[in-house]
Amino acid sequence: QVQLQESGPGLVKPSETLSLTCTVSGGSISSGTYYWSWIRQPAGKGLEWIGRIYSSGSTNYNPSLKSRVTISLDTSKSQFSLKLSSVTAADTAVYYCARESKAVGGTDYWGQGTLVTVSS
Amino acid sequence: QSVLTQPPSASGTPGQRVTISCSGSSSNIGSHTVMWHQQLPGTAPKLLIHSNNQRPSGVPDRFSASKSGTSASLAISGLQSEDEADYYCAAWDDSLNGRVFGGGTKLTVL
Repeated sequence: QVQLQESGPGLVKPSETLSLTCTVSGGSISSGTYYWSWIRQPAGKGLEWIGRIYSSGSTNYNPSLKSRVTISLDTSKSQFSLKLSSVTAADTAVYYCARESKAVGGTDYWGQGTLVTVSS
Repeated sequence: QSVLTQPPSASGTPGQRVTISCSGSSSNIGSHTVMWHQQLPGTAPKLLIHSNNQRPSGVPDRFSASKSGTSASLAISGLQSEDEADYYCAAWDDSLNGRVFGGGTKLTVL
């Protein structure tokens, strides 16, 4: 069974860059069957898709965040990462990494999530 | 404002059947399959339904879903207290070239 685990700083200062890593176990991150994505959820609010990366390195980003987001893949470490630049308090949220499966047409496994607070 | 529209809340008593709607457009639900995710309080979301109406193994058959045109719905029959959660629909959107979620529906079991 695939497992995903987010890691990274829980506190980021305004205007700085938020950096998170997701470690994948129980499955190959190089498989062409999956995309690897990031989704966030502000406290008490709904889910917002941030973007995804394919094993080839190709990416799709949420247009509303595209200018600030970079998602990258490190197959040697079975990890993928999120960088979100120029953060503000509005970026405070629980950040989830997730797997999107071509077979089921979307997200089939989620990480447990990690809270990132943007504050000075 | 979410691209997919869900009612913010729904409720029912134990044993009842409840439905949750999800309305989209031709660029998302009208062109792609719909997924539903369940988020129990304080936990990460979990896949509940994929490919419009398919349940992953382990999901009780009390949960069912359908899609028609640019709308979809989730039905829960024989409502149980442990079904109290937030439910989200999701689909790919061609106009945004990204995945979109509904705003979520908070289900309360009275």
